[in-house]
Amino acid sequence: DAMVIQNPRYQVTQFGKPVTLSCSQTLNHNVMYWYQQKSSQAPKLLFHYYDKDFNNEADTPDNFQSRRPNTSFCFLDIRSPGLGDAAMYLCATSREGGRETQYFGPGTRLLVL
Amino acid sequence: GDSVTQMEGPVTLSEEAFLTINCTYTATGYPSLFWYVQYPGEGLQLLLKATKADDKGSNKGFEATYRKETTSFHLEKGSVQVSDSAVYFCALGFSGGYNKLIFGAGTRLAVHP
Repeated sequence: DAMVIQNPRYQVTQFGKPVTLSCSQTLNHNVMYWYQQKSSQAPKLLFHYYDKDFNNEADTPDNFQSRRPNTSFCFLDIRSPGLGDAAMYLCATSREGGRETQYFGPGTRLLVL
Repeated sequence: GDSVTQMEGPVTLSEEAFLTINCTYTATGYPSLFWYVQYPGEGLQLLLKATKADDKGSNKGFEATYRKETTSFHLEKGSVQVSDSAVYFCALGFSGGYNKLIFGAGTRLAVHP
Protein backbone atom coordinates (compact mmCIF):
# COMPACT_ATOMS: atom_id res chain seq x y z
CA ASP A 1 0.00 0.00 0.00
CA ALA A 2 2.87 2.33 -0.82
CA MET A 3 1.57 5.85 -1.36
CA VAL A 4 4.57 7.72 -2.78
CA ILE A 5 6.89 5.58 -4.83
CA GLN A 6 10.31 6.58 -6.07
CA ASN A 7 12.38 4.74 -8.61
CA PRO A 8 15.10 3.83 -8.58
CA ARG A 9 16.16 3.83 -4.93
CA TYR A 10 19.80 4.17 -5.97
CA GLN A 11 21.07 5.77 -9.16
CA VAL A 12 24.63 6.02 -10.35
CA THR A 13 25.45 8.35 -13.20
CA GLN A 14 28.51 9.84 -14.77
CA PHE A 15 29.57 13.45 -14.59
CA GLY A 16 27.62 15.35 -17.24
CA LYS A 17 25.36 12.44 -18.24
CA PRO A 18 21.65 13.32 -18.04
CA VAL A 19 19.63 11.42 -15.48
CA THR A 20 15.92 11.18 -14.70
CA LEU A 21 14.40 10.27 -11.37
CA SER A 22 10.76 9.28 -11.13
CA CYS A 23 8.03 9.61 -8.56
CA SER A 24 4.50 8.30 -8.55
CA GLN A 25 1.66 8.64 -6.06
CA THR A 26 -1.54 6.77 -5.35
CA LEU A 27 -3.02 9.52 -3.16
CA ASN A 28 -4.45 11.65 -5.97
CA HIS A 29 -2.90 14.71 -4.34
CA ASN A 30 -2.79 18.05 -6.09
CA VAL A 31 0.72 19.04 -5.07
CA MET A 32 3.97 17.22 -5.79
CA TYR A 33 7.35 18.39 -4.53
CA TRP A 34 10.98 17.60 -5.22
CA TYR A 35 13.55 18.09 -2.49
CA GLN A 36 17.31 17.70 -2.46
CA GLN A 37 18.83 16.49 0.78
CA LYS A 38 22.55 16.39 1.35
CA SER A 39 24.16 14.56 4.20
CA SER A 40 23.18 15.79 7.68
CA GLN A 41 21.11 18.64 6.25
CA ALA A 42 17.44 19.50 6.05
CA PRO A 43 15.64 18.84 2.78
CA LYS A 44 15.89 21.74 0.34
CA LEU A 45 12.90 22.37 -1.88
CA LEU A 46 13.80 22.50 -5.56
CA PHE A 47 10.34 23.02 -7.05
CA HIS A 48 6.76 21.90 -6.82
CA TYR A 49 3.70 21.43 -8.97
CA TYR A 50 0.28 22.53 -7.88
CA ASP A 51 -1.73 20.46 -10.35
CA LYS A 52 -0.14 21.52 -13.66
CA ASP A 53 1.28 24.77 -12.38
CA PHE A 54 5.04 24.61 -12.00
CA ASN A 55 6.70 26.62 -9.21
CA ASN A 56 10.47 26.88 -9.21
CA GLU A 57 12.42 27.96 -6.13
CA ALA A 58 14.52 31.04 -6.82
CA ASP A 59 17.81 29.34 -6.03
CA THR A 60 17.22 26.09 -7.93
CA PRO A 61 19.91 25.74 -10.60
CA ASP A 62 18.82 25.65 -14.25
CA ASN A 63 20.40 22.21 -14.44
CA PHE A 64 17.35 20.84 -12.65
CA GLN A 65 14.09 20.45 -14.54
CA SER A 66 10.81 18.72 -13.80
CA ARG A 67 7.84 17.27 -15.66
CA ARG A 68 4.43 16.24 -14.46
CA PRO A 69 2.62 14.49 -17.30
CA ASN A 70 -0.39 13.57 -15.18
CA THR A 71 -1.63 13.67 -11.58
CA SER A 72 0.16 10.50 -10.57
CA PHE A 73 3.65 10.98 -11.96
CA CYS A 74 6.39 13.55 -11.59
CA PHE A 75 9.95 13.43 -12.93
CA LEU A 76 13.15 15.16 -11.95
CA ASP A 77 15.61 15.66 -14.78
CA ILE A 78 19.20 16.64 -14.11
CA ARG A 79 20.59 17.74 -17.43
CA SER A 80 24.31 17.68 -16.67
CA PRO A 81 25.00 16.26 -13.22
CA GLY A 82 28.00 17.57 -11.38
CA LEU A 83 29.75 16.05 -8.40
CA GLY A 84 27.92 18.52 -6.18
CA ASP A 85 24.57 17.09 -7.25
CA ALA A 86 25.21 13.83 -5.44
CA ALA A 87 22.48 13.72 -2.80
CA MET A 88 19.25 12.08 -1.72
CA TYR A 89 16.30 13.29 -3.80
CA LEU A 90 12.97 13.17 -2.06
CA CYS A 91 9.55 13.38 -3.67
CA ALA A 92 6.58 14.42 -1.57
CA THR A 93 2.89 15.08 -2.11
CA SER A 94 0.17 16.97 -0.31
CA ARG A 95 -3.52 17.35 -0.95
CA GLU A 96 -3.27 21.11 -0.88
CA GLY A 97 -0.65 23.66 0.16
CA GLY A 98 1.74 24.28 2.99
CA ARG A 99 -0.52 23.71 6.02
CA GLU A 100 -1.27 20.21 4.84
CA THR A 101 0.76 17.15 5.72
CA GLN A 102 3.33 16.22 3.15
CA TYR A 103 3.80 12.54 2.38
CA PHE A 104 7.32 11.60 1.39
CA GLY A 105 8.65 8.82 -0.74
CA PRO A 106 11.66 6.75 0.34
CA GLY A 107 14.02 8.83 -1.77
CA THR A 108 16.49 8.16 -4.54
CA ARG A 109 20.16 8.36 -3.65
CA LEU A 110 22.14 9.75 -6.58
CA LEU A 111 25.82 9.08 -6.96
CA VAL A 112 27.80 11.00 -9.58
CA LEU A 113 31.08 9.48 -10.72
CA GLY B 1 11.71 35.94 7.32
CA ASP B 2 10.02 32.80 8.50
CA SER B 3 12.36 30.27 10.07
CA VAL B 4 12.68 27.29 12.39
CA THR B 5 15.43 26.77 14.95
CA GLN B 6 16.08 23.36 16.50
CA MET B 7 18.46 22.33 19.21
CA GLU B 8 21.69 20.99 17.82
CA GLY B 9 22.45 17.32 17.99
CA PRO B 10 23.40 14.70 18.27
CA VAL B 11 21.35 13.86 21.30
CA THR B 12 22.51 10.65 22.93
CA LEU B 13 20.29 8.92 25.48
CA SER B 14 20.00 5.60 27.23
CA GLU B 15 16.91 3.51 26.66
CA GLU B 16 13.92 4.60 28.78
CA ALA B 17 15.31 8.12 29.28
CA PHE B 18 13.16 11.22 28.85
CA LEU B 19 13.54 13.08 25.58
CA THR B 20 13.12 16.75 24.79
CA ILE B 21 14.06 18.29 21.46
CA ASN B 22 13.55 22.03 21.40
CA CYS B 23 12.04 23.83 18.44
CA THR B 24 11.25 27.52 18.13
CA TYR B 25 9.95 29.38 15.15
CA THR B 26 9.63 32.83 13.66
CA ALA B 27 6.57 33.43 11.53
CA THR B 28 4.61 36.41 10.30
CA GLY B 29 1.35 34.50 10.00
CA TYR B 30 -0.33 31.54 11.66
CA PRO B 31 1.44 28.40 10.54
CA SER B 32 0.76 24.77 11.15
CA LEU B 33 3.63 23.05 12.94
CA PHE B 34 5.01 19.61 12.22
CA TRP B 35 7.52 17.10 13.46
CA TYR B 36 8.89 14.75 10.82
CA VAL B 37 11.18 11.79 11.52
CA GLN B 38 13.75 10.30 9.15
CA TYR B 39 15.10 6.83 9.81
CA PRO B 40 18.46 5.92 8.25
CA GLY B 41 18.28 5.60 4.47
CA GLU B 42 14.59 6.51 4.30
CA GLY B 43 12.37 9.45 3.44
CA LEU B 44 10.65 11.64 5.99
CA GLN B 45 7.56 10.49 7.84
CA LEU B 46 5.10 12.71 9.63
CA LEU B 47 5.37 12.10 13.36
CA LEU B 48 2.81 14.61 14.61
CA LYS B 49 1.32 18.00 13.80
CA ALA B 50 -0.63 20.87 15.34
CA THR B 51 -2.62 23.43 13.42
CA LYS B 52 -3.41 26.14 15.97
CA ALA B 53 -2.28 27.56 19.28
CA ASP B 54 -2.52 25.22 22.31
CA ASP B 55 -3.12 22.19 20.10
CA LYS B 56 -1.20 19.12 21.21
CA GLY B 57 0.00 16.66 18.60
CA SER B 58 0.79 13.13 19.72
CA ASN B 59 1.86 9.87 18.14
CA LYS B 60 3.82 6.77 19.22
CA GLY B 61 4.40 8.24 22.67
CA PHE B 62 5.76 11.53 21.31
CA GLU B 63 4.01 14.80 22.11
CA ALA B 64 4.39 18.45 21.19
CA THR B 65 2.26 21.45 22.08
CA TYR B 66 1.86 24.52 19.85
CA ARG B 67 2.84 27.43 22.11
CA LYS B 68 2.11 30.72 20.41
CA GLU B 69 3.22 32.84 23.37
CA THR B 70 6.71 31.32 23.31
CA THR B 71 6.68 30.46 19.56
CA SER B 72 7.73 26.93 20.41
CA PHE B 73 6.83 23.36 19.49
CA HIS B 74 9.12 21.19 21.63
CA LEU B 75 9.08 17.45 21.06
CA GLU B 76 8.92 15.17 24.13
CA LYS B 77 8.78 11.49 24.88
CA GLY B 78 8.69 9.98 28.32
CA SER B 79 10.67 6.82 27.62
CA VAL B 80 12.72 6.44 24.46
CA GLN B 81 13.58 3.15 22.78
CA VAL B 82 16.51 2.13 20.62
CA SER B 83 14.10 2.10 17.67
CA ASP B 84 13.53 5.87 18.11
CA SER B 85 17.06 6.53 16.88
CA ALA B 86 16.58 8.80 13.86
CA VAL B 87 16.78 12.40 12.73
CA TYR B 88 13.89 14.63 13.80
CA PHE B 89 12.86 17.70 11.81
CA CYS B 90 10.62 20.48 13.05
CA ALA B 91 8.79 22.34 10.28
CA LEU B 92 6.18 24.99 9.70
CA GLY B 93 3.73 25.42 6.86
CA PHE B 94 1.34 28.16 5.79
CA SER B 95 -1.88 28.30 3.91
CA GLY B 96 -2.52 30.75 1.13
CA GLY B 97 0.30 31.57 -1.26
CA TYR B 98 2.84 29.31 0.38
CA ASN B 99 3.09 25.78 -0.83
CA LYS B 100 6.13 24.59 1.04
CA LEU B 101 7.37 23.56 4.44
CA ILE B 102 10.13 25.43 6.19
CA PHE B 103 12.34 22.90 7.94
CA GLY B 104 14.68 23.21 10.85
CA ALA B 105 18.17 21.78 10.49
CA GLY B 106 17.23 18.48 12.11
CA THR B 107 18.31 16.84 15.36
CA ARG B 108 19.93 13.42 15.35
CA LEU B 109 18.87 11.18 18.22
CA ALA B 110 20.87 8.12 19.20
CA VAL B 111 19.41 5.80 21.83
CA HIS B 112 21.64 3.16 23.39
CA PRO B 113 20.52 0.01 25.22
